[in-house]
Amino acid sequence: DVKVTQSSRYLVKRTGEKVFLECVQDMDHENMFWYRQDPGLGLRLIYFSYDVKMKEKGDIPEGYSVSREKKERFSLILESASTNQTSMYLCASWDRGNQPQHFGDGTRLSIL
Amino acid sequence: GQNIDQPTEMTATEGAIVQINCTYQTSGFNGLFWYQQHAGEAPTFLSYNVLDGLEEKGRFSSFLSRSKGYSYLLLKELQMKDSASYLCAVRDRNTDKLIFGTGTRLQVFP
Repeated sequence: DVKVTQSSRYLVKRTGEKVFLECVQDMDHENMFWYRQDPGLGLRLIYFSYDVKMKEKGDIPEGYSVSREKKERFSLILESASTNQTSMYLCASWDRGNQPQHFGDGTRLSIL
Repeated sequence: GQNIDQPTEMTATEGAIVQINCTYQTSGFNGLFWYQQHAGEAPTFLSYNVLDGLEEKGRFSSFLSRSKGYSYLLLKELQMKDSASYLCAVRDRNTDKLIFGTGTRLQVFP
């Protein structure tokens, strides 16, 4: 069965801190994604990666960066956290073709 | 541009049938997905349509009309556990990215 694991379910950080969100998948998928989900706005794509060491900006990349050193792991980095980055963050992985994206349980991040 | 519209909230009664609509505009269409998301949990895949017509999976069915840019998710014999948000997402043919609607929150009452 497909498994996408996010390192934390809940996280509280302070403004200005550097924050790391980790995501690991066990399906050997090439493609991985980071979204944020906010009420009334739905899921918005922050960054995605189609291969190791490869990254592409999504629709809202400002204030974020990513790292993909190994195929199974995709990290989202908030370089200097701000209160408007308080949100639910969802990681997903995807094989090619007609398969769906599979999501992790999400990390609810609060920036104080 | 790209746009996906679905109702914000719906209510229904246990045992009834409910239809959740989704309309979309996209520059390149390569499939439509429906996900279910319970509060505080991950979205889970329900159905996929890429050709016109109806796909049935147990109590859930999904319909697609590409010429109308329209899909619906049909839930039959509603149960209390079906109370959740239902997300419509379209895959863009040019980028392979998923474009999500804002979701429809369904509440099922006894």
